[in-house]
Amino acid sequence: DAGITQSPRYKITETGRQVTLMCHQTWSHSYMFWYRQDLGHGLRLIYYSAAADITDKGEVPDGYVVSRSKTENFPLTLESATRSQTSVYFCASSEPGYEQYFGPGTRLTVT
Amino acid sequence: AQSVTQPDIHITVSEGASLELRCNYSYGATPYLFWYVQSPGQGLQLLLKYFSGDTLVQGIKGFEAEFKRSQSSFNLRKPSVHWSDAAEYFCAAGGGGNKLTFGTGTQLKVEL
Repeated sequence: DAGITQSPRYKITETGRQVTLMCHQTWSHSYMFWYRQDLGHGLRLIYYSAAADITDKGEVPDGYVVSRSKTENFPLTLESATRSQTSVYFCASSEPGYEQYFGPGTRLTVT
Repeated sequence: AQSVTQPDIHITVSEGASLELRCNYSYGATPYLFWYVQSPGQGLQLLLKYFSGDTLVQGIKGFEAEFKRSQSSFNLRKPSVHWSDAAEYFCAAGGGGNKLTFGTGTQLKVEL
């Protein structure tokens, strides 16, 4: 299907475990983004990528790792999950100078 | 620092009444401006955008927004609200590099 998808949609993990959230887009947009959404904070940018193999930190990058070996995929890894990383994670994509399109989100709970 | 402020956390309106959601931004230059809507459990959907030109922009679902440079504002309006408009609304601003700064959102409740 065309668009932007995220998997899994829901994830429960334990403190200290590594977890990877997947993001896939079919538009071949050059830019991709990861946000986290927390009550009272709106959406905060974690990492973004301007093209394959080009990534950069956003506002809240600590504890997260990203990679982008292919234009259409932008996985986000929590290397050692903490309870403070319990959140809803959104992936987005865009072309330069244009609006961002968002995926449906992944609700992550760290116990 | 770049910032977007949505001063109203919650707003309640009656169905059929008019709506205005406030958004103020602080940027070095005139940014790109957006309004997104988020229904419960869903991702964000773009309502409208302002890049340049006409300061009154029309969006989907009957929404419009007006850019006012002198007030650093980009308020969202709708003349008659429908019950299905109940959702959370986010204002966002962006500049170079395609990064967006989001406000903290306004939760809209519609009373029947």
